[in-house]
Amino acid sequence: ETGVTQSPTHLIKTRGQQVTLRCSSQSGHNTVSWYQQALGQGPQFIFQYYREEENGRGNFPPRFSGLQFPNYSSELNVNALELDDSALYLCASSPELAHNEQFFGPGTRLTVL
Amino acid sequence: GENVEQHPSTLSVQEGDSAVIKCTYSDSASNYFPWYKQELGKRPQLIIDIRSNVGEKKDQRIAVTLNKTAKHFSLHITETQPEDSAVYFCAASEDSGGGADGLTFGKGTHLIIQP
Repeated sequence: ETGVTQSPTHLIKTRGQQVTLRCSSQSGHNTVSWYQQALGQGPQFIFQYYREEENGRGNFPPRFSGLQFPNYSSELNVNALELDDSALYLCASSPELAHNEQFFGPGTRLTVL
Repeated sequence: GENVEQHPSTLSVQEGDSAVIKCTYSDSASNYFPWYKQELGKRPQLIIDIRSNVGEKKDQRIAVTLNKTAKHFSLHITETQPEDSAVYFCAASEDSGGGADGLTFGKGTHLIIQP
């Protein structure tokens, strides 16, 4: 069984730029959720994708967008980066009919300068 | 929306003693409560979860209790070991099968096991 993987591991961007983060779900899982974890805080829900459509969204602005592909992998895109977007971005996958049983990837550390 | 409060923020216990971490939630519709362990620089790892139709669940040295009336749930770790040192997060969600709201996390408890 393959676990959740994310790329890249680390990324440095400047304010105003755009970034794309990638996630491959665990084998057998078809739902992907994205979270932002600021230093010293718990993860915050950004959105969830199921069957290639956004299935729910947290309190994040529209410049945070995503995609899910037919193989269940997913992308998180952030436009017009701000300094406060610096955080660990976590992807979690979950199985059909148990979308809240979420298994996390190692994360992408984004630094915005 | 849901709000999850977690206490304490830091907990230091002697090796072999028990540790208890407590969480409260605000949304009575929440019915799924997982606990995650996150070691420094690593991913959050699901260690145990409970659903609202169950009052207690145990897995070896770890147990979780749920009081739906009071809207609080707790993580109990017995016979603590050095490898239990980590940050622990509680979370809550409405397990409708659709998962539209995601998980709402507490701010975490840094558990320190003193040798």
